Amino acid sequence: RKEVEQDPGPFNVPEGATVAFNCTYSNSASQSFFWYRQDCRKEPKLLMSVYSSGNEDGRFTAQLNRASQYISLLIRDSKLSDSATYLCVVNSGAGSYQLTFGKGTKLSVIP
Amino acid sequence: DAMVIQNPRYQVTQFGKPVTLSCSQTLNHNVMYWYQQKSSQAPKLLFHYYDKDFNNEADTPDNFQSRRPNTSFCFLDIRSPGLGDAAMYLCATSRDMADPTQYFGPGTRLTVL
Repeated sequence: RKEVEQDPGPFNVPEGATVAFNCTYSNSASQSFFWYRQDCRKEPKLLMSVYSSGNEDGRFTAQLNRASQYISLLIRDSKLSDSATYLCVVNSGAGSYQLTFGKGTKLSVIP
Repeated sequence: DAMVIQNPRYQVTQFGKPVTLSCSQTLNHNVMYWYQQKSSQAPKLLFHYYDKDFNNEADTPDNFQSRRPNTSFCFLDIRSPGLGDAAMYLCATSRDMADPTQYFGPGTRLTVL
């Protein structure tokens, strides 16, 4: 089983749509969770950390389900500038500062 | 202001010709990482330094070496690049064990001819 698994997409959505990405992770001891955004041929950039209670940052909402080892990212009112690959990232175990990256989900927002 | 800087941004080398990639940071973070990323793949950790302690991943080829002469700088040496080493090389930093959030440099895209 892959450590961090994501649907690679691509997700092609019209501007203004709501889109959700899911991610599962295999290490039940993981404690830190993130979504990173990566534009084509650029570096990953932190989009948001994911907290147990769920958290929201503008149009972006992240949820964590520890029991199911599942993380989600919801993007509301999609903009053309949201087009990117979204990487689900999990720390590599209890107390570990190393991160394990998913392969990413590609989003294309279409005019 | 850039916090994690990588030079050069693009590097072309010949098969077998050694190459060195550099990374510097202004964050004063304890941990520095080197990743290799190929198209449509997740970043693959090659090794990292926690302060001066070097930690190599088990599947990192011996062809890849690293140096961290001080807190700010870290280098990736590829001793004999092969065609399969063509990739984006990403440097990242994180503060310490308490905060695993990683911050990436813009990457160096390596082409091997």
